[in-house]
Amino acid sequence: GAGVSQTPSNKVTEKGKYVELRCDPISGHTALYWYRQSLGQGPEFLIYFQGTGAADDSGLPNDRFFAVRPEGSVSTLKIQRTERGDSAVYLCASSWGGGPYNEQFFGPGTRLTVL
Amino acid sequence: QKEVEQNSGPLSVPEGAIASLNCTYSDRGSQSFFWYRQYSGKSPELIMFIYSNGDKEDGRFTAQLNKASQYVSLLIRDSQPSDSATYLCAVSSNNNDMRFGAGTRLTVKP
Repeated sequence: GAGVSQTPSNKVTEKGKYVELRCDPISGHTALYWYRQSLGQGPEFLIYFQGTGAADDSGLPNDRFFAVRPEGSVSTLKIQRTERGDSAVYLCASSWGGGPYNEQFFGPGTRLTVL
Repeated sequence: QKEVEQNSGPLSVPEGAIASLNCTYSDRGSQSFFWYRQYSGKSPELIMFIYSNGDKEDGRFTAQLNKASQYVSLLIRDSQPSDSATYLCAVSSNNNDMRFGAGTRLTVKP
């Protein structure tokens, strides 16, 4: 079956602009995660959804970052007033359920470049 | 102190040798431990997970966990050039998030 998909694969924007990054999880997966990966670093947790609700948003760096998952499937990560430091690869992952014992499957990521 | 620490490498081993990758973590409440492989420009893919102290073997891969020492390792036997990648250690607790180390870059030389 299809894996996790993310669009766009690359996004170049200017400082101060608004961007939306989309994640389409594996069908049937109730848990969805967003991570950010900077060059030479491991993925950094941002937010976790169980169904439609954000069960844990403790990783969002500030209030410029927001994510939604209105129907419990596709999720959108929204970044307002982008800054150069937001440049990174944004990874989405999904799993059958939440909790520490469920394997997370990663999408290909969106490479965001803020000029 | 970082929550999950790995040697950044690069770690270089000859083809056919055993590659040993190490990881330490700070949260004693951690319950599950994962090793992901990430090729350059690609997303992480799961290789192994381990929940209990001891060893877990899957093909050429063996994960070892010592919760008392807060240490987890990955051994790759009969290393192949195709194993050349960055290996990410990840740790999860009841909080549903997964904390990653910075990764160890492994090069297997033919």
